Amino acid sequence: QVQLQESGPGLVKPSQTLSLTCTVSGGSISSGDYYWSWIRQPPGKGLEWIGYIYYSGSTYYNPSLKSRVTISVDTSKNQFSLKLSSVTAADTAVYYCAREYYGGGDWGQGTLVTVSS
Amino acid sequence: EIVLTQSPATLSLSPGERATLSCRASQSVSSYLAWYQQKPGQAPRLLIYDASNRATGIPARFSGSGSGTDFTLTISSLEPEDFAVYYCQQRSNWLFTFGPGTKVDIK
Repeated sequence: QVQLQESGPGLVKPSQTLSLTCTVSGGSISSGDYYWSWIRQPPGKGLEWIGYIYYSGSTYYNPSLKSRVTISVDTSKNQFSLKLSSVTAADTAVYYCAREYYGGGDWGQGTLVTVSS
Repeated sequence: EIVLTQSPATLSLSPGERATLSCRASQSVSSYLAWYQQKPGQAPRLLIYDASNRATGIPARFSGSGSGTDFTLTISSLEPEDFAVYYCQQRSNWLFTFGPGTKVDIK
């Protein structure tokens, strides 16, 4: 059973870079036809797709965030990461990592990141 | 960018009733449409993929239909655990988008 766990600072200052890591256990991040995704949800609001890195290494980002987002994989640590630059209060949200595949998906529990000085 | 709209925003029903949720895309997404369920404090759970296929472990009372721009999620008879928020998601052209959600609450 694959499990995903988000980690990173819970508080980020405006204009700084938000950095989160998703650690994958119970399976290799290098194997299979998977989308390694990041999704966020502002408090009390809906889901927003941020982007993913495909198993082939290709990355795809939400056009509204593309200029600020980088998703990468560290196969040696079985982790993938999210960097979001120049954050503002509007980036305050629960951030989820997920392993998505045709017909299913596994999600982390989510981590709240607050942008505030 | 493909925009998804969901209706209604809120659906108030009683256990045992039938729920019909709608999702409309601003342009065709073929059948690349998924439905998720989210309960408070939990991560979303995939219910339906490719418009009409139930994900593993999803009860038969959940069904999806549609193609192109108009899609429907139907819950044939609501169980107490089905009261939640439902999101549609399109997966066309490698870029994904979520709809704003429909909350199904207890009448």
